[in-house]
Amino acid sequence: DARVTQTPRHKVTEMGQEVTMRCQPILGHNTVFWYRQTMMQGLELLAYFRNRAPLDDSGMPKDRFSAEMPDATLATLKIQPSEPRDSAVYFCASGFGVRAHEQYFGPGTRLTVT
Amino acid sequence: GNSVTQMEGPVTLSEEAFLTINCTYTATGYPSLFWYVQYPGEGLQLLLKATKADDKGSNKGFEATYRKETTSFHLEKGSVQVSDSAVYFCALSDPNTGNQFYFGTGTSLTVIP
Repeated sequence: DARVTQTPRHKVTEMGQEVTMRCQPILGHNTVFWYRQTMMQGLELLAYFRNRAPLDDSGMPKDRFSAEMPDATLATLKIQPSEPRDSAVYFCASGFGVRAHEQYFGPGTRLTVT
Repeated sequence: GNSVTQMEGPVTLSEEAFLTINCTYTATGYPSLFWYVQYPGEGLQLLLKATKADDKGSNKGFEATYRKETTSFHLEKGSVQVSDSAVYFCALSDPNTGNQFYFGTGTSLTVIP
């Protein structure tokens, strides 16, 4: 049963610290998405990649957030420095093909910044 | 631009009641439409989809029909169960980019025995 995996599942950190979240997309999927979910804003698209190339990261605060795909099996989302307003659940999703009609979501990383 | 508007929640129903969650969309082209479900503590899961007008998506007793004339994709189930308690998201994918997804705000459903 192929699944998207994310680590860590929970992260508590202090303001100013660097946070790195990792995602392993489903093997063979070539599109990866990063989302942030909060009660106030709902589900927001932060960035997405196709064939490891970033296609759109306009939803991401560029001064502190960065997203990369070092290889086809790993996507990372970094926040440096972290702030309390970054507290949210971060989801990674993967899909296949140009249209990537179906996105398969990971279980999320719940981030708390104190 | 593209957007999805779905019914505000929360919705509380008794077991075996009929469910409708409304969803309307705005799109520049001919989008594909989706319903995703999120159970507590989990990521979103695809529930059903429809890729063109008049298509009906169905899964696990849930149905939704892609209505181009009313720009709607309402989710229905004839008899809900306690296990259907979750948050439901309507979404569209932009055919022009093929990748950009637009999600609604989600509707929380609680089914009581």
